[in-house]
Amino acid sequence: EAQVTQNPRYLITVTGKKLTVTCSQNMNHEYMSWYRQDPGLGLRQIYYSMNVEVTDKGDVPEGYKVSRKEKRNFPLILESPSPNQTSLYFCASSLEGGWDQPQHFGDGTRLSIL
Amino acid sequence: GQQVMQIPQYQHVQEGEDFTTYCNSSTTLSNIQWYKQRPGGHPVFLIQLVKSGEVKKQKRLTFQFGEAKKNSSLHITATQTTDVGTYFCAGRSGGYQKVTFGTGTKLQVIP
Repeated sequence: EAQVTQNPRYLITVTGKKLTVTCSQNMNHEYMSWYRQDPGLGLRQIYYSMNVEVTDKGDVPEGYKVSRKEKRNFPLILESPSPNQTSLYFCASSLEGGWDQPQHFGDGTRLSIL
Repeated sequence: GQQVMQIPQYQHVQEGEDFTTYCNSSTTLSNIQWYKQRPGGHPVFLIQLVKSGEVKKQKRLTFQFGEAKKNSSLHITATQTTDVGTYFCAGRSGGYQKVTFGTGTKLQVIP
């Protein structure tokens, strides 16, 4: 089954404790992206990747890191999480380098930073 | 930077009534996509519009892209309880690969 898989689905942690949210897709998609969703603000893009070893900042990249060592994986790293990063996070992928393709979303990761 | 606003933020309708959400961009868009997110779920792609003035229909849903390619609308005729969810538009402008989503419209349908 074609899918985008995120882990963990839920995480409660404390300020400053490094964490990684994994994202994997099995559709051989080139474009992958991370979003955070907050009430009233919609989905805001954090980082995106056009292909392996090619990443770029979205609209809200501060406090986040990403890497794209393999085509299928696009982990989101919070080196020193803070409470304002408490949010619902979605990973998404689409077929080609240009984004004129539907994005397929994972089920989301709800992060709570205390 | 590019901003995409949607109105209204919330809409409650009686089942059978029509519903419309509007999407307005601060910049001209190359294309626009619409997504639906059911409560507790993830966004699911509905449709993409590319041409100025383009209109597309999916059963009871009608999508429109403005002539200036800075606004779009989604109209649902005779809403059903299955239409409940949050509707997002998403656009890209210029040669950028960044995606900007609208703020979303949350639709509640009262049976």
